[in-house]
Amino acid sequence: ETGVTQTPRHLVMGMTNKKSLKCEQHLGHNAMYWYKQSAKKPLELMFVYNFKEQTENNSVPSRFSPECPNSSHLFLHLHTLQPEDSALYLCASSQEYFSYESGLASPGPYNEQFFGPGTRLTVL
Amino acid sequence: GENVEQHPSTLSVQEGDSAVIKCTYSDSASNYFPWYKQELGKRPQLIIDIRSNVGEKKDQRIAVTLNKTAKHFSLHITETQPEDSAVYFCAASIPGEQGAQKLVFGQGTRLTINP
Repeated sequence: ETGVTQTPRHLVMGMTNKKSLKCEQHLGHNAMYWYKQSAKKPLELMFVYNFKEQTENNSVPSRFSPECPNSSHLFLHLHTLQPEDSALYLCASSQEYFSYESGLASPGPYNEQFFGPGTRLTVL
Repeated sequence: GENVEQHPSTLSVQEGDSAVIKCTYSDSASNYFPWYKQELGKRPQLIIDIRSNVGEKKDQRIAVTLNKTAKHFSLHITETQPEDSAVYFCAASIPGEQGAQKLVFGQGTRLTINP
């Protein structure tokens, strides 16, 4: 399959359960992202991984734990979630260029972020 | 941090008319401004983007303008068609200190094209 895939597509879990969301990108990108999409805050960035290293944690509660074993795979481990965590969780990937001279990410020609289809999570 | 405001939240236009969606951002370091379209039940998909060294970009019926001084950018859709009905998100990207850029999204605009 091409592009960005996510499994499962739908997940219902209790507050005491532990589950994991999986994302895989087949685009050869070096950066991956987790977003939360809800009615209250559409497309809210949660985590950023660049070159397999976590570079951003957008003040996300510790009940969400990301894992990036390689540049193609990204996981989001869930435990003791709350009903307000019910949302669509989107994974995305992009190709980023890092300028070692300035220490800042330089915009390259492939900054487009490609999104996966999302996992619809319901916490009971 | 970066804050992106998007207006209007809903927009309804007659088929064939033009639609304009506006966004403002707060961080002057932002240098990349994409627009995403999300149809019902589907993933967001990029429709057009603009970088800070350009003031306007056009792709067929879609155009984006950027005013860096005022820190606002707009999406223009001309000759609207029913298939343009969707939620549109603007975003502003700021360089990350250690790697990938961060995209901060606006709240979204639900565009409805009336036949």
